[in-house]
Amino acid sequence: DIVMTQSPHSLSLSLGERATFNCKSSQSILYSSNKKSYLAWYQQKAGQPPKLLFYWASTRESGVPDRFSGSGSGTDFTLTISSLQAEDVAVYYCQQYFSAPYTFGGGTKVEIK
Amino acid sequence: EVQLVESGGGLVQPGRSLRLSCAASGFTFDDYAMHWVRQVPGKGLEWVSYISWNSGKTGYADSVKGRFTISRDNAKNALYLQMDSLRPEDTAFYYCAKEGYSSELFKYAEFFQHWGQGTLVAVSS
Repeated sequence: DIVMTQSPHSLSLSLGERATFNCKSSQSILYSSNKKSYLAWYQQKAGQPPKLLFYWASTRESGVPDRFSGSGSGTDFTLTISSLQAEDVAVYYCQQYFSAPYTFGGGTKVEIK
Repeated sequence: EVQLVESGGGLVQPGRSLRLSCAASGFTFDDYAMHWVRQVPGKGLEWVSYISWNSGKTGYADSVKGRFTISRDNAKNALYLQMDSLRPEDTAFYYCAKEGYSSELFKYAEFFQHWGQGTLVAVSS
């Protein structure tokens, strides 16, 4: 199974600050034939189901604000919020869909300082 | 608008069975593979099972293999999860999720583009 490791476990930042979350896979999730990394990011607010933010590591889902960006390839990935807003308080998860079982990282919890 | 509505959760004793349902609307159900994902309250996400668009392929996490069975009825736009021999560690919110479609690559893929609100299963004596 592919193990997904997220860091840090939690972040406490001021409004307007830049937030950076990391996700690392235990093996490459880059598919050579299409040059795509099979990595998705989700945002889960308290009491709600997860919401898809990015797939193919950097393709933004419709409706996601452009202060969010996804990057990385192979085994190392980053989700960035350029200017943290109050509504961004949530837990953020990465997920690999390269091969079953489709595994998630442990999540990064974002709070406002 | 895509809607996924789970039902069937509740309190059940260890060793007993439960059947979850997910009613889908707002999209062509039989175009998409479907999944179940669970989450222990306050903890992370765990993929549980998937079924292809025509039920030809299924897959399970090792933690539920041999105990859970996924199925679908495309005529009813419904997804199911039969859970047998339930254990306390199966206690979680269970979400149904629709696989993703990438218009960039004209390809379906196993990211989860839409989720239901979840149904809580509690296994306890």
